[in-house]
Amino acid sequence: NAGVTQTPKFQVLKTGQSMTLQCAQDMNHEYMSWYRQDPGMGLRLIHYSVGAGITDQGEVPNGYNVSRSTTEDFPLRLLSAAPSQTSVYFCASTGPGRGEQYFGPGTRLTVT
Amino acid sequence: TQLLEQSPQFLSIQEGENLTVYCNSSSVFSSLQWYRQEPGEGPVLLVTVVTGGEVKKLKRLTFQFGDARKDSSLHITAAQPGDTGLYLCAGAEGGTYKYIFGTGTRLKVLA
Repeated sequence: NAGVTQTPKFQVLKTGQSMTLQCAQDMNHEYMSWYRQDPGMGLRLIHYSVGAGITDQGEVPNGYNVSRSTTEDFPLRLLSAAPSQTSVYFCASTGPGRGEQYFGPGTRLTVT
Repeated sequence: TQLLEQSPQFLSIQEGENLTVYCNSSSVFSSLQWYRQEPGEGPVLLVTVVTGGEVKKLKRLTFQFGDARKDSSLHITAAQPGDTGLYLCAGAEGGTYKYIFGTGTRLKVLA
């Protein structure tokens, strides 16, 4: 099993550009999340989804959009990139029961 | 907003020493998880604890969930260089899968 995959691994954007970070899982999990990780701040929840067609905001949703058209895919869209969005982004898929999270390898995004 | 405070933030010890990392909050969590993260990779789950007072052992690692489910600790016995990494705790908000992460403890074990 591939688990959780994320693309791209690295990305550089100019201020104002838009892009989509891709996330896919092959574990048939209903619950998926997007986090950003900044130095000294741990991981912060951006958006999450409890199943296809259902998404909700986390702690830091501004500047990001998500959609969930299938169980497998949960893309994160940056509408107009800002330097404050420079970060490492992780997608996670959560198993049922005890809620164990499986993380992707991350996307390192730099906005200049 | 629920907060999770981890201490210490940084820890550098010699191989063979013991250490404890703490994860504290004023809020109650329905479950708490511990992760280890290595540079350039995503966090990897070590353990999930759900019952107040629960103790789980994973080889040389011992995890404890506080009786009131507001705090947790991770104890490593006879640390090895392979234990080096960033340790993160994460608490689930009331019966959901929404997790709040602590700021992490960066551990370095010197050979």
